[in-house]
Amino acid sequence: SAVISQKPSRDICQRGTSLTIQCQVDSQVTMMFWYRQQPGQSLTLIATANQGSEATYESGFVIDKFPISRPNLTFSTLTVSNMSPEDSSIYLCSARTGANPEDNYGYTFGSGTRLTVV
Amino acid sequence: RKEVEQDPGPFNVPEGATVAFNCTYSNSASQSFFWYRQDCRKEPKLLMSVYSSGNEDGRFTAQLNRASQYISLLIRDSKLSDSATYLCVVNIPGGSYIPTFGRGTSLIVHP
Repeated sequence: SAVISQKPSRDICQRGTSLTIQCQVDSQVTMMFWYRQQPGQSLTLIATANQGSEATYESGFVIDKFPISRPNLTFSTLTVSNMSPEDSSIYLCSARTGANPEDNYGYTFGSGTRLTVV
Repeated sequence: RKEVEQDPGPFNVPEGATVAFNCTYSNSASQSFFWYRQDCRKEPKLLMSVYSSGNEDGRFTAQLNRASQYISLLIRDSKLSDSATYLCVVNIPGGSYIPTFGRGTSLIVHP
């Protein structure tokens, strides 16, 4: 299955600043996803990123706050803009490594970015 | 009602025990079901896919019940190293299929 390199692995940021998280996949993937995971909670999907089109955001997430880039089939970035302490969380990127919904390869994850906003 | 629901536990079992988790999903058109394992402060990793006919991988058995809209994970002969959070993932239709996670079930295996 694909391997995803995600960076930074952690950061402590001042409120009001922005942080860009990068994910590099070692193979071409059509769909990438960005998640947020609060402590003790499950993963919440922020947006789906397809190459060549704008990201599709889930309810409660907007492009101005979480702009996403997907310049090619192996790379994506998520920016957390104008950060506040409520944005402190783990951010994970993921890629669908199967070719269709019935594929059993599932999803591969980056190792996560642990963000603390002070 | 949440799209994917799991009992958060924790399930606290002795080594060697058999333990089972269930996960229910609300959308009957859901396709593709998975169990992921997440260790503390780590990313989720695929444990096994869930096939319609049920499937087994060593001590782990996964089953799908489409009529009742749930999947299950059975772990036999529990090991200390099985302690983790087990996440149920369901591909829910919505334009494209969107992977949706349950909140996870925590398992603690003690000596």
